[in-house]
Amino acid sequence: TQLLEQSPQFLSIQEGENLTVYCNSSSVFSSLQWYRQEPGEGPVLLVTVVTGGEVKKLKRLTFQFGDARKDSSLHITAAQPGDTGLYLCASKRSGNTPLVFGKGTRLSVIA
Amino acid sequence: NAGVTQTPKFQVLKTGQSMTLQCAQDMNHNSMYWYRQDPGMGLRLIYYSASEGTTDKGEVPNGYNVSRLNKREFSLRLESAAPSQTSVYFCAIQTRAEQYFGPGTRLTVT
Repeated sequence: TQLLEQSPQFLSIQEGENLTVYCNSSSVFSSLQWYRQEPGEGPVLLVTVVTGGEVKKLKRLTFQFGDARKDSSLHITAAQPGDTGLYLCASKRSGNTPLVFGKGTRLSVIA
Repeated sequence: NAGVTQTPKFQVLKTGQSMTLQCAQDMNHNSMYWYRQDPGMGLRLIYYSASEGTTDKGEVPNGYNVSRLNKREFSLRLESAAPSQTSVYFCAIQTRAEQYFGPGTRLTVT
């Protein structure tokens, strides 16, 4: 069973601080997705990473895919209250199987 | 273009009651999913449908049934609700690039 372990489970920081959250597995990912979920809404895709060592940037968010494709990280620079939410990583066991989600990191950015 | 719609948005049931959660999409995609989300547990797949006429169990199917009525609609039925089914339920479709989620149904079983 491919488990996606996310850490930390909770994170509360002040506005302007930097942070990194992690997604790890004992299995190799074919690809990995990061979603953000705001209170009262469904998750929304942020990024998909496919290639080992890949780095993608989305404004103040930087996503890294590990060289061995077993781990990924999300780094937020100068966090803002609008970054508050639940960050979920997700991957597939194989091409035609459903996505499996990690339990998420709940981020709170305090003004 | 509403994307994925879910009804109702909120529901309170008593133990033993039945109800159907409705999901509809106007994005013409084959694959549809039902998840439940509980605090600290992330999203857990209940059932999915890879195409019209097919359904498959996910991680937590017990206590639920589904119907893929047509390409647009995928419903989730609780025949005899239990307090353990108190949760937020999300329907999703699989586009080429991502899973696209509906707004959710918050269900409380007392």
